[in-house]
Amino acid sequence: NAGVTQTPKFRVLKTGQSMTLLCAQDMNHEYMYWYRQDPGMGLRLIHYSVGEGTTAKGEVPDGYNVSRLKKQNFLLGLESAAPSQTSVYFCASRTSRVSGRGYNEQFFGPGTRLTVL
Amino acid sequence: LAKTTQPISMDSYEGQEVNITCSHNNIATNDYITWYQQFPSQGPRFIIQGYKTKVTNEVASLFIPADRKSSTLSLPRVSLSDTAVYYCLVGEGTNAGKSTFGDGTTLTVKP
Repeated sequence: NAGVTQTPKFRVLKTGQSMTLLCAQDMNHEYMYWYRQDPGMGLRLIHYSVGEGTTAKGEVPDGYNVSRLKKQNFLLGLESAAPSQTSVYFCASRTSRVSGRGYNEQFFGPGTRLTVL
Repeated sequence: LAKTTQPISMDSYEGQEVNITCSHNNIATNDYITWYQQFPSQGPRFIIQGYKTKVTNEVASLFIPADRKSSTLSLPRVSLSDTAVYYCLVGEGTNAGKSTFGDGTTLTVKP
């Protein structure tokens, strides 16, 4: 049981380049999230998904797109990277159960450190 | 979105009890209160959650007053390994994506 994994762990891009970050979870969770964390700051929600084929905007969605074609995967895309997108990106997932052990607990991946030059 | 306010930093010594308070004046009826711990270069890790009164697990206690406008995370007998950033998160439950992490509280435990 690997939990939440993220690919890649590190990446350096030039301004204007594109890339996709992959998040995978093996806990059969319905909800998945993408956050970014800038140095010394808290996490800010970019996009989230409540199920396969559905996505929604979070607090800071501009410049990012997402897709959830399979329940276990949540992809975050940067179409034209900008230096302001230099950050650490975290993926998380959780169950949609409304009660019981583990309810409301988000499980986080190890993060992807992205630098845009 | 439910906004939270926490102290930026706190210092403590090994063996002491630490209480970190989070203010959430605009908490909604269905919102839960969840606390996470984050070490450098790692993703946050769930500590405890509650809706009202007191909740206790093997690592912490969570105190929530009747008006639910604040909550206090209590860490008993902290050790050096408890040095981390602690986040209070209000919301989620059936409303995915409707909560935000604040800037957290950096707890430094000294020997």
